Amino acid sequence: DGGITQSPKYLFRKEGQNVTLSCEQNLNHDAMYWYRQDPGQGLRLIYYSQIVNDFQKGDIAEGYSVSREKKESFPLTVTSAQKNPTAFYLCAAGQSGYTGELFFGEGSRLTVL
Amino acid sequence: AQSVTQLDSQVPVFEEAPVELRCNYSSSVSVYLFWYVQYPNQGLQLLLKYLSGSTLVESINGFEAEFNKSQTSFHLRKPSVHISDTAEYFCAVSDSGGSNYKLTFGKGTLLTVNP
Repeated sequence: DGGITQSPKYLFRKEGQNVTLSCEQNLNHDAMYWYRQDPGQGLRLIYYSQIVNDFQKGDIAEGYSVSREKKESFPLTVTSAQKNPTAFYLCAAGQSGYTGELFFGEGSRLTVL
Repeated sequence: AQSVTQLDSQVPVFEEAPVELRCNYSSSVSVYLFWYVQYPNQGLQLLLKYLSGSTLVESINGFEAEFNKSQTSFHLRKPSVHISDTAEYFCAVSDSGGSNYKLTFGKGTLLTVNP
């Protein structure tokens, strides 16, 4: 099946630990995105990448890092510097000739204990 | 910069009643407009989009939205809702010039359809 695969679906971590969320796509889309979703807050953009080996900060990049070594992969690391990391994280991809239409993964729910 | 305001955070309705979910946007440039739907613990799915042409756009499951440039609105409507329409709905806007690869979302409207 074509689409966006996020893993793990649920993740628990202790304070002070880094954690990496995986996002893989087989849609051959150039652009990939990471959003954070909190209740009542909508989606807020963390990082996005338009091409391989390039990425830009979104609105809430502090405490997060990304890499884009391959077109199909865009992992997100939540570092210990992120003060409130418990949230639902969504990865998305957008096609070339950008129109704003995004395809989303099923999400990863991170809980910090 | 663009922004999206969804005027209602929650909309409860009875099955088979009509519904309108309101969305207003702010932008200094021409825009593309979207409605996405999210079912519990899932990602977002595109419901419908306005890119150009007819200001009235429709989805395959009976929703429609009308782009009103003068009122900077893109309200979502359905004449008769089903229990299965219960979900959170997000309005979103992007720059139609293509120079901005970012999609800006509203905070969402939770539609609850009761029997």
